[in-house]
Amino acid sequence: AQKVTQAQTEISVVEKEDVTLDCVYETRDTTYYLFWYKQPPSGELVFLIRRNSFDEQNEISGRYSWNFQKSTSSFNFTITASQVVDSAVYFCALSDLYGNNRLAFGKGNQVVVIP
Amino acid sequence: NAGVTQTPKFQVLKTGQSMTLQCAQDMNHEYMSWYRQDPGMGLRLIHYSVGAGITDQGEVPNGYNVSRSTTEDFPLRLLSAAPSQTSVYFCASSFTGLPGNTIYFGEGSWLTVV
Repeated sequence: AQKVTQAQTEISVVEKEDVTLDCVYETRDTTYYLFWYKQPPSGELVFLIRRNSFDEQNEISGRYSWNFQKSTSSFNFTITASQVVDSAVYFCALSDLYGNNRLAFGKGNQVVVIP
Repeated sequence: NAGVTQTPKFQVLKTGQSMTLQCAQDMNHEYMSWYRQDPGMGLRLIHYSVGAGITDQGEVPNGYNVSRSTTEDFPLRLLSAAPSQTSVYFCASSFTGLPGNTIYFGEGSWLTVV
């Protein structure tokens, strides 16, 4: 069974501080995909990044960066120099080998950026 | 291009009533699914469809019915609403079922059962 754990529930930071969100996953598959989604206060889900199990290269996109480590089954997400617009719930999700639109989501991290 | 459209956005039901949450996509996507989001629970898969005429159960299917008569539409039916079904519902679609495929989500439907 697929499982995603996001341990921190709510994280508050002062604007311009960095914030790191932890994601630990469990799967028996050797091929899988990991995702991060953002849910702003308006409620929609915004796709941020996708990473497959064969690509452990870390990625930076603007103020966002991701650290994928298969050895520890972790796919952590960092926001550098946080801004108020980063206030949202962030979800880590896992897709199994067969996909089919079936994602296992973590419980989400509520990020609050204080101006 | 409307993407994934869900209606209604907000709905209040009385226990025992039935209703249908509508989901339509205009991207010619084969794969569609329904999730529910509860506080502290993340999103959980209710039902999914890999094409017209084909549906299957997800993690929490009880109390919900689906059908897929066309590629565009994937309605979710609550036959006898219960307070435990108070949740935010998200419809999603993707062009293929490949595990790395981008999945597009609707804006959500807020349902309250009293």
